[in-house]
Amino acid sequence: GAGVSQSPRYKVAKRGQDVALRCDPISGHVSLFWYQQALGQGPEFLTYFQNEAQLDKSGLPSDRFFAERPEGSVSTLKIQRTQQEDSAVYLCASSLNPDSPLHFGNGTRLTVT
Amino acid sequence: LAKTTQPISMDSYEGQEVNITCSHNNIATNDYITWYQQFPSQGPRFIIQGYKTKVTNEVASLFIPADRKSSTLSLPRVSLSDTAVYYCPLGGANNLFFGTGTRLTVIP
Repeated sequence: GAGVSQSPRYKVAKRGQDVALRCDPISGHVSLFWYQQALGQGPEFLTYFQNEAQLDKSGLPSDRFFAERPEGSVSTLKIQRTQQEDSAVYLCASSLNPDSPLHFGNGTRLTVT
Repeated sequence: LAKTTQPISMDSYEGQEVNITCSHNNIATNDYITWYQQFPSQGPRFIIQGYKTKVTNEVASLFIPADRKSSTLSLPRVSLSDTAVYYCPLGGANNLFFGTGTRLTVIP
């Protein structure tokens, strides 16, 4: 079956631009997570949704980062006024319920120039 | 936030058994131990999960001692395609700590 799909696969933005990253989770998965992965590092937690409710956003690095999942399926991670330090791979994961293993997409590689 | 410690890298020849150990001294009572594998340009992929003792599936075994302060992922007879980074994240469902993982290189 289809896995977690993320788009775009690559995104280049000029410093100061806004970007929107999309995640299509596995159908029926209640939980959705966003992670940020810098080069050579492991994924770091950003935020978590259960259905449409954002239950934890403690990992978002600044108020320039915003995530939503309005209908409990597709999610969008938005970064406003991008900075060079935002360059990373942004991973989306979904799971059937909060205690199930995560299914990750292949990420969006964001490069801010 | 539960922290984990793993070797940064390991090398192994094809066909050998590989054991990767993860230390998690402050594991919480309700934490499950989960291992993920990540190839370049891909997201992590779930391998195996356990709570205590031993768990085995078609790709790996997971050994967990009684105190649960460590775990060992065992990969039988590795092949070149097992070259990847392996993580043992811990934490609550909404806040897994992945760390930097163990980079396994399988040598022909």
